[in-house]
Amino acid sequence: DAKTTQPTSMDCAEGRAANLPCNHSTISGNEYVYWYRQIHSQGPQYIIHGLKNNETNEMASLIITEDRKSSTLILPHATLRDTAVYYCIVRTNNNAGNMLTFGGGTRLMVKP
Amino acid sequence: DAGVIQSPRHEVTEMGQEVTLRCKPISGHDYLFWYRQTMMRGLELLIYFNNNVPIDDSGMPEDRFSAKMPNASFSTLKIQPSEPRDSAVYFCASRGDGLYGYTFGSGTRLTVV
Repeated sequence: DAKTTQPTSMDCAEGRAANLPCNHSTISGNEYVYWYRQIHSQGPQYIIHGLKNNETNEMASLIITEDRKSSTLILPHATLRDTAVYYCIVRTNNNAGNMLTFGGGTRLMVKP
Repeated sequence: DAGVIQSPRHEVTEMGQEVTLRCKPISGHDYLFWYRQTMMRGLELLIYFNNNVPIDDSGMPEDRFSAKMPNASFSTLKIQPSEPRDSAVYFCASRGDGLYGYTFGSGTRLTVV
């Protein structure tokens, strides 16, 4: 699976949009971009994933650049409960490569 | 659905003792994963099962670690003998065939003294 690069930490004001970037310049054509987050003392939680089109669900939006070498996770109205470590992962969706490989992630601090 | 259930939530044991961690995946999920998390190494995949069969155990640190999945609703991760460097949070996760998101349990915090 392709490697990803994320900033170590970010701050965001409560109520504002949090934009978390991820670089994945070596992504392959059949690899998806996944985002998970881990709130303190809990297991990682799936947020969203996409291949090349932008995606939106009740938790967040995912914007993937046209060349697919980078993406941005957007939390439109961050709350204090969104304080967590956010992981960007790229992997295929075939059953042969089922492992989720976590990097260091971005520690997002939402401040009042 | 109660999600992925792990027990115990916390375990403190003495070096040399056997430790058994337990996991109940979400009903109907075909894949089960064991991860370990430490400050130094982050989240590491130890082993995963598909339909109760171990598929990849290359992340298991050494022979002291073993994992079993006797049926679709139960898995164990055993450490024998335990060492202080095994202290970590151990997560179990499951995923259904055709689904994309993994569901993680709340983890077991293991402390070996």
